[in-house]
Amino acid sequence: AQKITQTQPGMFVQEKEAVTLDCTYDTSDPSYGLFWYKQPSSGEMIFLIYQGSYDQQNATEGRYSLNFQKARKSANLVISASQLGDSAMYFCAMREDTDKLIFGTGTRLQVFP
Amino acid sequence: DTGVSQDPRHKITKRGQNVTFRCDPISEHNRLYWYRQTLGQGPEFLTYFQNEAQLEKSRLLSDRFSAERPKGSFSTLEIQRTEQGDSAMYLCASSLVSLSGKDGYTFGSGTRLTVV
Repeated sequence: AQKITQTQPGMFVQEKEAVTLDCTYDTSDPSYGLFWYKQPSSGEMIFLIYQGSYDQQNATEGRYSLNFQKARKSANLVISASQLGDSAMYFCAMREDTDKLIFGTGTRLQVFP
Repeated sequence: DTGVSQDPRHKITKRGQNVTFRCDPISEHNRLYWYRQTLGQGPEFLTYFQNEAQLEKSRLLSDRFSAERPKGSFSTLEIQRTEQGDSAMYLCASSLVSLSGKDGYTFGSGTRLTVV
């Protein structure tokens, strides 16, 4: 079974609009962490935001926020006020007790003027 | 410190040749990870080190692959007798273990391997 599922292969959004990228996860471990990374065409993975399984509040980092619904096992990334530079691949990842990250297949976001 | 450095950025090799990649992590980070990313997929875990100790290896890491971190600083990933299926982006990341768990991993820009 997939541990991390990203069902949107591609998304389009107009500049200055908000967009939500979906991520669902599967774990029986009560302690885990969820991450979102951005991968531009240059290839490096850029850390965006983190949510711990015991965190009571949804994480926010500037224009990025994480809509964490623990019972549904979803951790959707919300990007507000999209910019052209946000065009990239976005990966959701989970860390369980072994400290390695498990990634989803990613969503390609394209921002148009 | 300029982040995680990987060398080379690109490597083209003939099938059957050996290749070696290098990763220089952020100096104060004690953990170093190797991932492989094929086209259209997310990165897949290969192995990781805490200081010089290799703590975990994925089943993806066949006996043709070997990774070292001899002095707990830089790491090398060697692939022997390369096959076309080894063509991928090889990503290195480093982290500093903390109790909060929220510290992200800092990734390098990767080494893109093409086996012809």
